[in-house]
Amino acid sequence: RKEVEQDPGPFNVPEGATVAFNCTYSNSASQSFFWYRQDCRKEPKLLMSVYSSGNEDGRFTAQLNRASQYISLLIRDSKLSDSATYLCVVNSLSGSARQLTFGSGTQLTVLP
Amino acid sequence: EAGVAQSPRYKIIEKRQSVAFWCNPISGHATLYWYQQILGQGPKLLIQFQNNGVVDDSQLPKDRFSAERLKGVDSTLKIQPAKLEDSAVYLCASIIGQTQYFGPGTRLLVL
Repeated sequence: RKEVEQDPGPFNVPEGATVAFNCTYSNSASQSFFWYRQDCRKEPKLLMSVYSSGNEDGRFTAQLNRASQYISLLIRDSKLSDSATYLCVVNSLSGSARQLTFGSGTQLTVLP
Repeated sequence: EAGVAQSPRYKIIEKRQSVAFWCNPISGHATLYWYQQILGQGPKLLIQFQNNGVVDDSQLPKDRFSAERLKGVDSTLKIQPAKLEDSAVYLCASIIGQTQYFGPGTRLLVL
């Protein structure tokens, strides 16, 4: 089983739609969680951290369920510029080192 | 503030050849990471440095890959000899707090 699993998509949605991505992780000792965004042929960039209480940043809402080891990202009123790959990222301790483990990413295309 | 710098941006080599990539992290960032990202996959950690010391290299294929960060600033990653399956983007990142900042990557194609 992969440490971090995501639905690869692709998700093709019209502008203005709401879209949700899911992610599960296998290491119950994982400590922090993130969503990164990666545009085509570009490097990943931090989109937002994910907190147990859930958190919102404009049109983006992230949720964490530690009991189910499940993370989600909701995008409301999607824009053309939201088209990208969204990477679920989990921070765990590996020995004495903090290590980020990336999912394979979910590809989103927002259509006009 | 300057970001993470990497060079070269692109490299094409034949299998069994050697290749080296260079990274200069954001000034003052003590922790540096090298990742391999194969097409369609997320980045996979190869090695993590704290200053000039290796913190984690458990996923580095040590028979052919090596990395160093001698002065605790810039770093090089080497592959010798390269295989076809090494074709990927090699990303360097440094961290402040819990946010990783990635360089633009080196896109390697092994023929």
